[in-house]
Amino acid sequence: EVQLVESGGGLVQPGGSLRLSCAASGFTFRNFWMTWVRQAPGKGLECVANINKDGSDKYYVDSVKGRFTISRDNAKDSLYLQMNSLSAEDTAVYYCVNDLGWGQGTLVTVSS
Amino acid sequence: QPVLTQPPSVSAAPGQRVTISCSGSSSNIGKNNVRWYQQLPGTAPKHLIYDNNKRPSGIPDRFSGSKSATSATLGITGLQTGDEADYYCGTWDNSLNVWVFGGGTKLTVL
Repeated sequence: EVQLVESGGGLVQPGGSLRLSCAASGFTFRNFWMTWVRQAPGKGLECVANINKDGSDKYYVDSVKGRFTISRDNAKDSLYLQMNSLSAEDTAVYYCVNDLGWGQGTLVTVSS
Repeated sequence: QPVLTQPPSVSAAPGQRVTISCSGSSSNIGKNNVRWYQQLPGTAPKHLIYDNNKRPSGIPDRFSGSKSATSATLGITGLQTGDEADYYCGTWDNSLNVWVFGGGTKLTVL
């Protein structure tokens, strides 16, 4: 069974940082592109970042470029999202996604 | 503002058929396969259709997808109250170099 389990969300002050993790199991992680998708409260879906199979290519939505970094560790079957300079507009549930499924999401709240 | 355009809401009676449109451009739908996602209330989204018209295992054949030029359509037949959800289309955009979504369509089964 495909499982994607996010962790690392929480409450952070504006300007702060958080690192999200996604633990993958039930499939060959290194064979799949991975994506972080977020959903602000009551809003639609927004792709934040994509990373290719070996981590050599990374793509970001304009609103997070220079602040967020996507990475992966294929030896640990894990995906990461380092988020810096956070603002209230980054408040959302963050999902780990690939072609096989979605995680349950982790909530990031940016507030003073 | 979402890159792909979907109607905000659609509705139909149980047992009926409904379609949801997704309009894009030559840089996204016009060049790439489309996916559809279903998000039931209070839950994470899940894959519904991939490669324009293919269903992952476990998705009933009441759900179908099609694509023509720069638009895609999700069809649902034999509507059930359990189909009430938000539906999103998505695809890669070759100009933005990022996955893009539609704004979502809320399906109400009257």
